[in-house]
Amino acid sequence: DARVTQTPRHKVTEMGQEVTMRCQPILGHNTVFWYRQTMMQGLELLAYFRNRAPLDDSGMPKDRFSAEMPDATLATLKIQPSEPRDSAVYFCASGLVNLNTEAFFGQGTRLTVV
Amino acid sequence: GENVEQHPSTLSVQEGDSAVIKCTYSDSASNYFPWYKQELGKRPQLIIDIRSNVGEKKDQRIAVTLNKTAKHFSLHITETQPEDSAVYFCAATLPRVTGGGNKLTFGTGTQLKVEL
Repeated sequence: DARVTQTPRHKVTEMGQEVTMRCQPILGHNTVFWYRQTMMQGLELLAYFRNRAPLDDSGMPKDRFSAEMPDATLATLKIQPSEPRDSAVYFCASGLVNLNTEAFFGQGTRLTVV
Repeated sequence: GENVEQHPSTLSVQEGDSAVIKCTYSDSASNYFPWYKQELGKRPQLIIDIRSNVGEKKDQRIAVTLNKTAKHFSLHITETQPEDSAVYFCAATLPRVTGGGNKLTFGTGTQLKVEL
């Protein structure tokens, strides 16, 4: 049963600290998304990669957030420095661009910045 | 870019009744419309989807309809059960040729509560 794997599942950190979230997409998938979910904003797209190249990160605050795909099996989302307003659940999802099909979500990382 | 609106934000029904959730999209080029169910504390999971060349699709108690002219699509759940209680998200996808390629734009979600 292929799944998107995210680590850590939970993270509590102090304001100002760096946070790195990791995602292992489903093997063979060539698109990766990072979404942020809050009660107020729903599911917001932060970044979108196709074949490891960033295509759209317009939803991501550039001053503190960065997203990368160092290889096809790993995507990272980094926040530096973190702020309390960054507290949310961060989901990674992967899919196949060749077929316009569903995106499969990971379990999410629940981030709390105190 | 695409914009998706979803209504209602909350919906409460009695067990056994039907539930309908509606979404509208802005870009007529969108051609794929999935619906996701998210239970409390869990990840969104696909429950049904429809492509722009189809007007209706059904899978047991759930169905989705698409009106391309009006640019809206709806989720219908019949004979609702308590386990249907969750947040439901609609989404729209622009085709790859216009730079989309399953870049999902989500609606704001509907909290469905099925009461006994």
